[in-house]
Amino acid sequence: QSALTQPASVSGSPGQSITISCTGTSSDVGGYNYVSWYQQHPGKAPKLMIYEVSNRPSGVSNRFSGSKSGNTASLTISGLQAEDEADYYCSSYTSSSTPFVFGTGTKVTVL
Amino acid sequence: QVQLVQSGAEVKKPGASVKVSCKASGYTFTSYDINWVRQATGQGLEWMGWMNPNSGNTGYAQKFQGRVTMTRNTSISTAYMELSSLRSEDTAVYYCARGVTMGFDPWGQGTLVTVSS
Repeated sequence: QSALTQPASVSGSPGQSITISCTGTSSDVGGYNYVSWYQQHPGKAPKLMIYEVSNRPSGVSNRFSGSKSGNTASLTISGLQAEDEADYYCSSYTSSSTPFVFGTGTKVTVL
Repeated sequence: QVQLVQSGAEVKKPGASVKVSCKASGYTFTSYDINWVRQATGQGLEWMGWMNPNSGNTGYAQKFQGRVTMTRNTSISTAYMELSSLRSEDTAVYYCARGVTMGFDPWGQGTLVTVSS
């Protein structure tokens, strides 16, 4: 099972919106509404930001939103803030013998 | 609050085994799966497997089949991940995470396992 494809880096200025893509196949991202997104600050454990494509857990800012089209899922961060600078990973359930796969990860830089 | 607390860092020699613990609190331990994910330094996340604490049923990533064993002790709300035949490439931070709606939340703080001769 190959990792889902994410851009290595995305950057934006404070207040702007950015979008991170997560591309898989019809066996994972395209086949199920089980895409989740995680934020990871350096030296810290990942934190769930979005589950089931577009749902936000309690306590997560509404500046974070998720969507999916075909085999590509996306995470949008609006009103970018300095604290959003972190690594972001997508994950999807898959139909393969290894039921979960993560994306390659995207480093978000706030300029 | 829901929390997963993992055991401390380990240093092991190649060929040895390591057992990492993950103690759950703030929720009913047997009601949610526990997943294990690892991350080599500067690298991405890699899903290793899951365990149902109620039944003890497990599912492992193909890559780790035959080398990983996930168990639990329900009396102390603790899950364990044992990885055998360690090699240098297994040097990583190992995380446990509660399974929720096909996602993972929360995560433990991570356990650094270093494999070195």
